[in-house]
Amino acid sequence: ETGVTQSPTHLIKTRGQQVTLRCSSQSGHNTVSWYQQALGQGPQFIFQYYREEENGRGNFPPRFSGLQFPNYSSELNVNALELDDSALYLCASSSGRIRSAGELFFGEGSRLTVL
Amino acid sequence: EDQVTQSPEALRLQEGESSSLNCSYTVSGLRGLFWYRQDPGKGPEFLFTLYSAGEEKEKERLKATLTKKESFLHITAPKPEDSATYLCAVGDSGNTGKLIFGQGTTLQVKP
Repeated sequence: ETGVTQSPTHLIKTRGQQVTLRCSSQSGHNTVSWYQQALGQGPQFIFQYYREEENGRGNFPPRFSGLQFPNYSSELNVNALELDDSALYLCASSSGRIRSAGELFFGEGSRLTVL
Repeated sequence: EDQVTQSPEALRLQEGESSSLNCSYTVSGLRGLFWYRQDPGKGPEFLFTLYSAGEEKEKERLKATLTKKESFLHITAPKPEDSATYLCAVGDSGNTGKLIFGQGTTLQVKP
């Protein structure tokens, strides 16, 4: 059973650029969530995908967008990068069962630095 | 507004010195309270789910308890390998699949 994998692990961008982060779900999981974690803070919910459809969104502007593919892998895209977008971006997969909705399996994250 | 507050922000213990971490929450309808452990540079690792007041869960030196307003993570006779940031989260009352996390408690256990 493979865990959640994210790529790239680290990247540096400049303001105004665009970035795509990728995530492969844990085997058997059909739900993917993305979180942003600033240094010293808890993760903040960006959005969730269930069977390729967006299933909830946090307080993030439209320049944060995502996709989920038929194999349940996912992408997070951020346009027009700002300095405050510097953070650890975490992908988490789950089984989609209501009773275990909060039992997320996280990847190790993608550390984004915006200069 | 749904909210989670953890205290203390940081905790230093000697090996074997038991203590508790607190998680206070405000949510219109609790859809589960979750504890995670996060090691530096890693993603959070799921520990426990609690659904109703009075419920308790245990794993090795950790025990999580739940009341109507807060949860405690009790650490008994901690070891240096228990050093990590412990995160508490609640399920969103709007059923969006969202977890609302606290800011975490960073625990350091010295030998």
